Amino acid sequence: DVKVTQSSRYLVKRTGEKVFLECVQDMDHENMFWYRQDPGLGLRLIYFSYDVKMKEKGDIPEGYSVSREKKERFSLILESASTNQTSMYLCASRPTDVGQTQYFGPGTRLLVL
Amino acid sequence: GQNIDQPTEMTATEGAIVQINCTYQTSGFNGLFWYQQHAGEAPTFLSYNVLDGLEEKGRFSSFLSRSKGYSYLLLKELQMKDSASYLCAVGSGGYQKVTFGTGTKLQVIP
Repeated sequence: DVKVTQSSRYLVKRTGEKVFLECVQDMDHENMFWYRQDPGLGLRLIYFSYDVKMKEKGDIPEGYSVSREKKERFSLILESASTNQTSMYLCASRPTDVGQTQYFGPGTRLLVL
Repeated sequence: GQNIDQPTEMTATEGAIVQINCTYQTSGFNGLFWYQQHAGEAPTFLSYNVLDGLEEKGRFSSFLSRSKGYSYLLLKELQMKDSASYLCAVGSGGYQKVTFGTGTKLQVIP
Protein backbone atom coordinates (compact mmCIF):
# COMPACT_ATOMS: atom_id res chain seq x y z
CA ASP A 1 0.00 0.00 0.00
CA VAL A 2 1.07 3.54 -0.76
CA LYS A 3 1.85 5.46 2.34
CA VAL A 4 1.88 9.24 2.61
CA THR A 5 2.78 10.62 6.00
CA GLN A 6 2.68 14.13 7.37
CA SER A 7 4.82 15.33 10.24
CA SER A 8 2.00 16.47 12.51
CA ARG A 9 -1.74 15.86 12.84
CA TYR A 10 -2.29 19.01 14.88
CA LEU A 11 -0.20 22.15 15.12
CA VAL A 12 -0.68 25.44 16.98
CA LYS A 13 1.47 28.41 16.03
CA ARG A 14 1.51 32.13 16.67
CA THR A 15 1.12 34.90 14.11
CA GLY A 16 4.46 35.72 12.50
CA GLU A 17 6.08 32.36 13.20
CA LYS A 18 7.75 30.38 10.43
CA VAL A 19 5.99 27.05 10.00
CA PHE A 20 7.24 23.90 8.29
CA LEU A 21 4.89 21.12 7.23
CA GLU A 22 6.60 17.95 6.09
CA CYS A 23 5.26 15.26 3.80
CA VAL A 24 6.91 11.95 2.95
CA GLN A 25 5.78 9.29 0.47
CA ASP A 26 7.22 5.81 0.10
CA MET A 27 6.14 4.86 -3.45
CA ASP A 28 8.71 6.72 -5.55
CA HIS A 29 6.02 8.99 -7.03
CA GLU A 30 7.21 11.83 -9.23
CA ASN A 31 4.39 14.22 -8.38
CA MET A 32 3.58 15.68 -4.99
CA PHE A 33 0.95 18.25 -4.00
CA TRP A 34 -0.02 20.52 -1.14
CA TYR A 35 -3.67 21.48 -0.63
CA ARG A 36 -5.57 23.33 2.02
CA GLN A 37 -9.16 22.46 2.81
CA ASP A 38 -11.63 24.92 4.26
CA PRO A 39 -15.39 24.59 4.81
CA GLY A 40 -17.33 25.72 1.78
CA LEU A 41 -14.19 26.15 -0.30
CA GLY A 42 -13.14 22.56 -0.76
CA LEU A 43 -9.60 21.45 -1.53
CA ARG A 44 -7.48 24.20 -3.04
CA LEU A 45 -4.09 23.57 -4.58
CA ILE A 46 -1.24 25.60 -3.08
CA TYR A 47 1.81 24.17 -4.86
CA PHE A 48 2.82 21.01 -6.64
CA SER A 49 6.08 19.44 -7.68
CA TYR A 50 6.68 17.11 -10.61
CA ASP A 51 10.32 16.33 -9.88
CA VAL A 52 13.10 16.98 -7.40
CA LYS A 53 13.80 20.72 -7.08
CA MET A 54 10.91 21.49 -9.46
CA LYS A 55 7.78 23.29 -8.35
CA GLU A 56 4.72 24.91 -9.84
CA LYS A 57 2.30 27.35 -8.27
CA GLY A 58 -1.21 26.15 -7.71
CA ASP A 59 -4.28 28.30 -7.29
CA ILE A 60 -3.41 29.96 -3.95
CA PRO A 61 0.40 30.15 -3.53
CA GLU A 62 0.50 33.53 -1.79
CA GLY A 63 2.05 33.34 1.66
CA TYR A 64 3.52 29.89 1.05
CA SER A 65 6.68 28.39 -0.36
CA VAL A 66 7.77 24.79 -0.92
CA SER A 67 10.90 22.71 -1.04
CA ARG A 68 11.62 19.39 -2.71
CA GLU A 69 15.23 18.38 -2.16
CA LYS A 70 14.54 14.63 -2.26
CA LYS A 71 12.01 12.73 -4.30
CA GLU A 72 10.16 11.32 -1.32
CA ARG A 73 9.86 14.56 0.66
CA PHE A 74 7.85 17.71 -0.08
CA SER A 75 7.79 20.53 2.45
CA LEU A 76 5.35 23.39 2.76
CA ILE A 77 6.63 26.56 4.40
CA LEU A 78 4.63 29.40 5.85
CA GLU A 79 7.19 32.19 5.99
CA SER A 80 5.20 34.29 8.46
CA ALA A 81 2.06 32.57 9.64
CA SER A 82 -1.16 34.54 9.69
CA THR A 83 -4.56 33.76 11.19
CA ASN A 84 -6.11 33.30 7.72
CA GLN A 85 -3.77 30.36 7.21
CA THR A 86 -5.59 28.40 9.89
CA SER A 87 -6.77 25.39 7.95
CA MET A 88 -6.46 21.68 7.25
CA TYR A 89 -3.41 21.00 5.08
CA LEU A 90 -3.34 17.87 2.96
CA CYS A 91 -0.36 16.45 1.11
CA ALA A 92 -0.77 14.04 -1.80
CA SER A 93 1.43 12.11 -4.19
CA ARG A 94 0.83 10.35 -7.49
CA PRO A 95 2.85 8.76 -10.28
CA THR A 96 3.17 10.45 -13.65
CA ASP A 97 1.05 8.00 -15.63
CA VAL A 98 -2.16 9.65 -16.76
CA GLY A 99 -5.17 8.48 -14.83
CA GLN A 100 -3.36 7.49 -11.71
CA THR A 101 -5.04 8.62 -8.52
CA GLN A 102 -3.56 10.84 -5.90
CA TYR A 103 -2.83 9.30 -2.52
CA PHE A 104 -3.43 11.60 0.39
CA GLY A 105 -1.73 11.90 3.74
CA PRO A 106 -3.83 12.11 6.91
CA GLY A 107 -3.70 15.92 7.01
CA THR A 108 -2.35 18.54 9.41
CA ARG A 109 -4.83 20.74 11.18
CA LEU A 110 -3.03 24.06 11.72
CA LEU A 111 -4.28 26.73 14.09
CA VAL A 112 -2.59 30.13 13.94
CA LEU A 113 -3.28 32.32 16.96
CA GLY B 1 -9.03 28.80 -15.30
CA GLN B 2 -11.20 26.00 -14.17
CA ASN B 3 -14.70 25.89 -12.77
CA ILE B 4 -16.17 22.82 -11.12
CA ASP B 5 -19.72 22.77 -9.77
CA GLN B 6 -21.46 20.17 -7.65
CA PRO B 7 -24.35 20.37 -5.18
CA THR B 8 -23.43 21.29 -1.64
CA GLU B 9 -25.59 18.76 0.18
CA MET B 10 -27.84 15.80 -0.57
CA THR B 11 -29.92 13.46 1.54
CA ALA B 12 -30.95 9.94 0.56
CA THR B 13 -32.50 6.90 2.21
CA GLU B 14 -30.69 3.72 3.11
CA GLY B 15 -31.08 1.14 0.34
CA ALA B 16 -31.92 3.74 -2.30
CA ILE B 17 -29.94 5.08 -5.27
CA VAL B 18 -28.45 8.56 -5.39
CA GLN B 19 -26.82 10.46 -8.25
CA ILE B 20 -24.32 13.23 -7.55
CA ASN B 21 -23.71 15.55 -10.50
CA CYS B 22 -20.61 17.50 -11.41
CA THR B 23 -20.15 20.03 -14.19
CA TYR B 24 -16.81 21.45 -15.17
CA GLN B 25 -15.08 23.86 -17.52
CA THR B 26 -11.40 23.36 -18.16
CA SER B 27 -8.70 23.43 -20.80
CA GLY B 28 -6.37 20.54 -21.44
CA PHE B 29 -8.74 18.02 -19.84
CA ASN B 30 -7.10 14.68 -19.09
CA GLY B 31 -9.57 12.95 -16.83
CA LEU B 32 -12.10 13.24 -14.04
CA PHE B 33 -11.82 11.69 -10.59
CA TRP B 34 -14.30 11.02 -7.83
CA TYR B 35 -13.15 10.80 -4.22
CA GLN B 36 -14.93 9.96 -0.98
CA GLN B 37 -14.05 11.82 2.19
CA HIS B 38 -15.40 10.93 5.62
CA ALA B 39 -15.39 13.68 8.22
CA GLY B 40 -11.93 14.27 9.65
CA GLU B 41 -10.26 11.89 7.21
CA ALA B 42 -8.30 12.22 3.96
CA PRO B 43 -10.01 11.73 0.59
CA THR B 44 -9.90 8.24 -0.87
CA PHE B 45 -10.12 7.37 -4.57
CA LEU B 46 -13.38 6.03 -6.00
CA SER B 47 -13.20 6.29 -9.78
CA TYR B 48 -11.52 7.77 -12.84
CA ASN B 49 -13.07 8.57 -16.23
CA VAL B 50 -11.21 9.83 -19.27
CA LEU B 51 -13.47 8.56 -22.06
CA ASP B 52 -17.19 9.14 -22.43
CA GLY B 53 -19.44 6.58 -20.87
CA LEU B 54 -20.15 4.70 -17.71
CA GLU B 55 -17.58 3.00 -15.49
CA GLU B 56 -19.00 0.54 -12.98
CA LYS B 57 -17.28 -0.59 -9.84
CA GLY B 58 -19.46 -2.54 -7.46
CA ARG B 59 -22.13 -0.30 -5.91
CA PHE B 60 -20.50 2.80 -7.38
CA SER B 61 -20.61 3.93 -11.01
CA SER B 62 -19.29 7.07 -12.67
CA PHE B 63 -20.32 8.64 -15.96
CA LEU B 64 -18.56 11.17 -18.14
CA SER B 65 -19.63 13.32 -21.10
CA ARG B 66 -16.67 15.38 -22.27
CA SER B 67 -18.68 17.36 -24.82
CA LYS B 68 -21.07 18.50 -22.09
CA GLY B 69 -18.46 18.95 -19.38
CA TYR B 70 -20.57 16.71 -17.17
CA SER B 71 -20.06 13.77 -14.87
CA TYR B 72 -22.08 11.97 -12.25
CA LEU B 73 -21.40 9.49 -9.49
CA LEU B 74 -24.11 6.90 -8.93
CA LEU B 75 -24.32 5.12 -5.60
CA LYS B 76 -26.62 2.10 -5.39
CA GLU B 77 -27.98 0.20 -2.40
CA LEU B 78 -27.00 3.02 -0.10
CA GLN B 79 -25.59 2.13 3.29
CA MET B 80 -25.23 4.31 6.37
CA LYS B 81 -21.44 4.22 5.97
CA ASP B 82 -21.84 6.00 2.62
CA SER B 83 -22.55 9.20 4.53
CA ALA B 84 -19.56 11.30 3.52
CA SER B 85 -18.48 14.11 1.22
CA TYR B 86 -17.97 13.22 -2.44
CA LEU B 87 -15.41 15.26 -4.32
CA CYS B 88 -15.32 15.72 -8.06
CA ALA B 89 -11.82 16.52 -9.37
CA VAL B 90 -10.59 17.35 -12.86
CA GLY B 91 -7.14 16.62 -14.23
CA SER B 92 -5.69 19.05 -16.75
CA GLY B 93 -2.52 20.29 -18.31
CA GLY B 94 0.83 18.77 -19.08
CA TYR B 95 1.72 18.33 -15.43
CA GLN B 96 -1.65 16.73 -14.72
CA LYS B 97 -2.73 19.31 -12.23
CA VAL B 98 -5.84 18.17 -10.38
CA THR B 99 -8.47 20.69 -9.34
CA PHE B 100 -11.22 19.79 -6.89
CA GLY B 101 -14.81 20.88 -6.62
CA THR B 102 -16.11 21.97 -3.23
CA GLY B 103 -17.65 18.57 -2.59
CA THR B 104 -21.14 17.22 -2.01
CA LYS B 105 -22.01 16.21 1.54
CA LEU B 106 -24.26 13.16 1.38
CA GLN B 107 -26.35 12.16 4.37
CA VAL B 108 -27.88 8.68 4.33
CA ILE B 109 -30.88 8.35 6.59
CA PRO B 110 -32.61 5.17 7.80
